[in-house]
Amino acid sequence: AQKVTQAQTEISVVEKEDVTLDCVYETRDTTYYLFWYKQPPSGELVFLIRRNSFDEQNEISGRYSWNFQKSTSSFNFTITASQVVDSAVYFCALSESVSGSSNTGKLIFGQGTTLQVKP
Amino acid sequence: SQTIHQWPATLVQPVGSPLSLECTVEGTSNPNLYWYRQAAGRGLQLLFYSVGIGQISSEVPQNLSASRPQDRQFILSSKKLLLSDSGFYLCAWSDRRSYTFGSGTRLTVV
Repeated sequence: AQKVTQAQTEISVVEKEDVTLDCVYETRDTTYYLFWYKQPPSGELVFLIRRNSFDEQNEISGRYSWNFQKSTSSFNFTITASQVVDSAVYFCALSESVSGSSNTGKLIFGQGTTLQVKP
Repeated sequence: SQTIHQWPATLVQPVGSPLSLECTVEGTSNPNLYWYRQAAGRGLQLLFYSVGIGQISSEVPQNLSASRPQDRQFILSSKKLLLSDSGFYLCAWSDRRSYTFGSGTRLTVV
């Protein structure tokens, strides 16, 4: 069965610190997508990144970077020089294989990591 | 462009009352549709998904049901709400590569 584990329930940092949010996943699919979403206090889910299982290149977008390690089934998210506006719940998610006979495309979420950035 | 509408934004309902939450998608056809629930301080749990009109799959046994009467309409219902049904409900659609979420309904059962 597919599973996403975000072992860090809550993280608190001081502004300008770097912080890494961990994500470990389990799947038997050979083709899948990994996602990170941000959920601010208002509740909506803000899409941050999607990574195809075949693409292990790390990605950087401004202060955000992602480290995909297929060998350890991890997809960690780092925020550099954190800011108060980064305070939110962050979710890592795994989609079912979208190839072959599977057509459900279910998105399985981790339990989320609450990040608090203090001024 | 594709958009997803979900309403109402907030809802307070007494125990034992019925529920109907609606979600509609625009700008796409034959999307996969999903209902998720987030209990207070918890993660997102998949409740139902649909790959086509009239096709509903339930992920967890519960007091809720879902229906898809039209290609781009997904409805979450209950005949009698329980206190444990309180939570934040999110509708989503997918083209099997990307996912778009609605703004959510915060349901409080009192």
